Amino acid sequence: AQSVTQLGSHVSVSEGALVLLRCNYSSSVPPYLFWYVQYPNQGLQLLLKYTSAATLVKGINGFEAEFKKSETSFHLTKPSAHMSDAAEYFCAVSDWSGANNLFFGTGTRLTVIP
Amino acid sequence: NAGVTQTPKFQVLKTGQSMTLQCAQDMNHEYMSWYRQDPGMGLRLIHYSVGAGITDQGEVPNGYNVSRSTTEDFPLRLLSAAPSQTSVYFCASKGNGKNTEAFFGQGTRLTVV
Repeated sequence: AQSVTQLGSHVSVSEGALVLLRCNYSSSVPPYLFWYVQYPNQGLQLLLKYTSAATLVKGINGFEAEFKKSETSFHLTKPSAHMSDAAEYFCAVSDWSGANNLFFGTGTRLTVIP
Repeated sequence: NAGVTQTPKFQVLKTGQSMTLQCAQDMNHEYMSWYRQDPGMGLRLIHYSVGAGITDQGEVPNGYNVSRSTTEDFPLRLLSAAPSQTSVYFCASKGNGKNTEAFFGQGTRLTVV
């Protein structure tokens, strides 16, 4: 079965600093991986997704993620944090059964310090 | 575009009461699902549907029922609410294929007292 693990339930960075949110996956087959963002009192929206076309994936709002098979990782990065990036971030993996279910990590809350 | 619409946004129930959380999507997606979000646990799949008339259990189905009579609607029923069902509930829909984006509703915050 597929699963993802997010290291660090809370991450704090200074405005302008590098953002690094970690995600490791467990899958016996090449996975489809996603990062979603949730702003306060809202639903989730897609930041980016990995679909095997390219290992470095660029998403919205300046975020990107790199798929590293050797490390079973899909970490999310942004070179320079902005106050508006404060939110909760979820890594997810697509189920390889016919149902296409998404399974989520436990989330990382990002705080940006002015 | 409406996307995925959930109602109500907030609800308080007494233990033992029943209610239905509504979810509707206007994107003609075959796949729909319900998740619950609890602090430190991420989103956990309750039930899902791959098309009208077809439903199946997710990771945490106990205490919840679903049905899918139309492509657009996927209601979630709590037959006898318990305090352990206090949570934020999200409905999602997605197109066919494992790499397609899931679209989420705004959530329903449910408190069972």
